[in-house]
Amino acid sequence: DIQMTQSPSSLSASVGDRVTITCRASRNISNFLNWYQQKPGKAPKLLISGASNFQSGVPSRFSGSASGADFTLTISTLQPEDFTTYFCQQSYNRPITFGQGTRLEMK
Amino acid sequence: DVHLVESGGDLVQPGGSLRLSCEASGFSFRSYWMTWVRQAPGKGLEWVANIQQDGSEAHYVDSVKGRFTISRDNSKNSVFLQMDSLRDEDTAVYYCARTAWTLRDYISYFDYWGQGTLVTVSS
Repeated sequence: DIQMTQSPSSLSASVGDRVTITCRASRNISNFLNWYQQKPGKAPKLLISGASNFQSGVPSRFSGSASGADFTLTISTLQPEDFTTYFCQQSYNRPITFGQGTRLEMK
Repeated sequence: DVHLVESGGDLVQPGGSLRLSCEASGFSFRSYWMTWVRQAPGKGLEWVANIQQDGSEAHYVDSVKGRFTISRDNSKNSVFLQMDSLRDEDTAVYYCARTAWTLRDYISYFDYWGQGTLVTVSS
């Protein structure tokens, strides 16, 4: 199985900050990497597919990039509603696997 | 608008069975793969199973193979998860999700999710 390792597991930041969350795959997954946001008690919401493709309706402050086995989700200017949990997910092969999540907390 | 509504979650004893349902609306259900993903309390997300558009192909995570069966009824816009021989570690919120694919690279992703249904396995 492909292991997805997210870092950091938690992150403290302030409104207006720029933050970066990283996801590393245990082996090559090309750009078969998606990012989701999950708020407490709610279903995950797709932010980015294929490492860098925006989803309709997602604010432009969210962006994704890839460099080798490392994938990055960047939030350029944090808004109050962004303080929640983020997951990466690979769909390169089965079983589909998720990262363990990154909790973004308000400083 | 796309809507996915799960139902069937309950408290069940270890070794018991449960059938989850997910009713879809707002899109051409028969054109999409469908997926079940679960989340244990306070934990991360785990892909459980998915099923092809016509139901002829299905895949499972190893921990549920031989115990869970995914199926669908395109005439009712519904996907199901039959769960047998339930274990404590199956306790989770179960989400159904629509699977879509990027046009260029054929990368799959889950673009719509239901609200989830809670399965609790406990004696």
